[in-house]
Amino acid sequence: GAVVSQHPSWVICKSGTSVKIECRSLDFQATTMFWYRQFPKQSLMLMATSNEGSKATYEQGVEKDKFLINHASLTLSTLTVTSAHPEDSSFYICSAPRTGGAGDTQYFGPGTRLTVL
Amino acid sequence: KQEVTQIPAALSVPEGENLVLNCSFTDSAIYNLQWFRQDPGKGLTSLLLIQSSQREQTSGRLNASLDKSSGRSTLYIAASQPGDSATYLCAPTGNQFYFGTGTSLTVIP
Repeated sequence: GAVVSQHPSWVICKSGTSVKIECRSLDFQATTMFWYRQFPKQSLMLMATSNEGSKATYEQGVEKDKFLINHASLTLSTLTVTSAHPEDSSFYICSAPRTGGAGDTQYFGPGTRLTVL
Repeated sequence: KQEVTQIPAALSVPEGENLVLNCSFTDSAIYNLQWFRQDPGKGLTSLLLIQSSQREQTSGRLNASLDKSSGRSTLYIAASQPGDSATYLCAPTGNQFYFGTGTSLTVIP
């Protein structure tokens, strides 16, 4: 079946550094990918829609200059958390839709847990 | 590995009906369980979050229950409306997210 991978699965970094998270669709192409984050004891929230070959679309309240998204190919989207701070510590997850005969099926990555010290 | 099953896979009901969506999961070691809706071409919208210590959560016409020991959750939608038409996903969450394959709901006006 279709698989979406994320790398790294967890990362610990110092405050002020930047962290890049990769999301890959392993056996299908995705012109669109979605990025989410979840803070402890809160719901998963959509951050942005990543579009291959064009700019990402950010949800209200998400800083586009802080969360840089690059959808460089049909199988790879990256999320870079720039100048990370402890309040950015969260669980980040991506998803990618695969179009089939019955419509789109959304496949999710396993997530990346970011801890900023 | 957590396995999540949602039944039914698809559901079509006339407007106004009450309905129940089912979710079962194999690993009860979860922190919480979330229900989401997904509209075509869109990202997920969070509907309800149930912490592992809770048994149910309510939001408007939606009520979700959780029986962690038996690995089951249900989403109850009261007085369904055409705007409820979407795919509904459950996600029991431990160290990772695990999503069900979803129930595609169509509410007929």
